[in-house]
Amino acid sequence: DTEVTQTPKHLVMGMTNKKSLKCEQHMGHRAMYWYKQKAKKPPELMFVYSYEKLSINESVPSRFSPECPNSSLLNLHLHALQPEDSALYLCASSSGPRVDQSYEQYFGPGTRLTVT
Amino acid sequence: GENVEQHPSTLSVQEGDSAVIKCTYSDSASNYFPWYKQELGKRPQLIIDIRSNVGEKKDQRIAVTLNKTAKHFSLHITETQPEDSAVYFCAASKWNTGFQKLVFGTGTRLLVSP
Repeated sequence: DTEVTQTPKHLVMGMTNKKSLKCEQHMGHRAMYWYKQKAKKPPELMFVYSYEKLSINESVPSRFSPECPNSSLLNLHLHALQPEDSALYLCASSSGPRVDQSYEQYFGPGTRLTVT
Repeated sequence: GENVEQHPSTLSVQEGDSAVIKCTYSDSASNYFPWYKQELGKRPQLIIDIRSNVGEKKDQRIAVTLNKTAKHFSLHITETQPEDSAVYFCAASKWNTGFQKLVFGTGTRLLVSP
């Protein structure tokens, strides 16, 4: 199974709502990532978890709160978002960096988030 | 930190022609260079990648070349087909302990006309 799954596919939320995005992989990868992608732009790294510990936070506003409950799951909790936070949120995972392992980051299909 | 530049931003070719997309990176410690294809509304998908200990890699109609001295790498697609139409992103990364930080180029929109 070389798939990363994300739920929900689409999410519309108001600025006062609290919602969560979920990501799951069963490839045994120990690194998981959250990216934000605006239209016609490249993915922009938000957070990295390595062995269930937060390793990188790219100065993301606190209204985005990541969580890694176990090695297969990654959540992104959303609270008091702004309209400019509307974007495609992509999850990814990777193994490596052993020489005999693929370095590939596998991306999920994303959650299309609209903040009204 | 790493910075990746990508050119051109758009590329239009006729079916059967070749397409070349070029990227430069700034961090000489970067050691992994993947290329992703993203169709409209879909996830980025890896099409080819190269590690810093290799100068060239080929997979059927797709090839990537890496020049570490000049810090640039290129994607070559031969015999283009309409289904190659998509946005292509280059990226550069180096491994930290257990994870990699990918920095993407700005993307190239490739349009292959029949």
